[in-house]
Amino acid sequence: ETGVTQTPRHLVMGMTNKKSLKCEQHLGHNAMYWYKQSAKKPLELMFVYSLEERVENNSVPSRFSPECPNSSHLFLHLHTLQPEDSALYLCASSQGRTNTGELFFGEGSRLTVL
Amino acid sequence: SQKIEQNSEALNIQEGKTATLTCNYTNYSPAYLQWYRQDPGRGPVFLLLIRENEKEKRKERLKVTFDTTLKQSLFHITASQPADSATYLCALVLSGGYQKVTFGTGTKLQVIP
Repeated sequence: ETGVTQTPRHLVMGMTNKKSLKCEQHLGHNAMYWYKQSAKKPLELMFVYSLEERVENNSVPSRFSPECPNSSHLFLHLHTLQPEDSALYLCASSQGRTNTGELFFGEGSRLTVL
Repeated sequence: SQKIEQNSEALNIQEGKTATLTCNYTNYSPAYLQWYRQDPGRGPVFLLLIRENEKEKRKERLKVTFDTTLKQSLFHITASQPADSATYLCALVLSGGYQKVTFGTGTKLQVIP
């Protein structure tokens, strides 16, 4: 079982759909992250949860809505997306405050918005 | 404005040679600098970390240097192998209530047999 698991691995949705991405970490970490990776661009930090509290929201459009019900699970709820939102969405976890920031990533969810 | 730049989008190197990748940053004061490897369609994997007060770090065939005056890190892979072909990402860690990790665009390394 990998440390950080993301589902689904691939998702195709229309602009009017509502879907969710799921992330689960089995590492006992207390911080979880959503990053967006588009072609030719650096990973963009979207949201950070530390001890289940959202501590970072990088001016992300409201059509992306994160949820962190506990320290092991992270969701990204998607609604009325645009084609430019098509990207690889990566979840990561880390040990949080006492750590040097080493991130453990999942394999990503490849999202295509039609 | 803040920037993290990796020297080239792509780098081709002959097997057995040393690959050197560069990471430059502006308007940051990182506590740590990290390097990750990313294979196509996969999430990045952490390789090495170097602290602001360290000059050099080694791990097997990997070596990282960190010059806070030049605001630059160099990442070396010695005796490169085709299996080293991947995209390598530089990342800065800014201390705070939690560790905020900011990435460069990456350099795609191709090791030619």
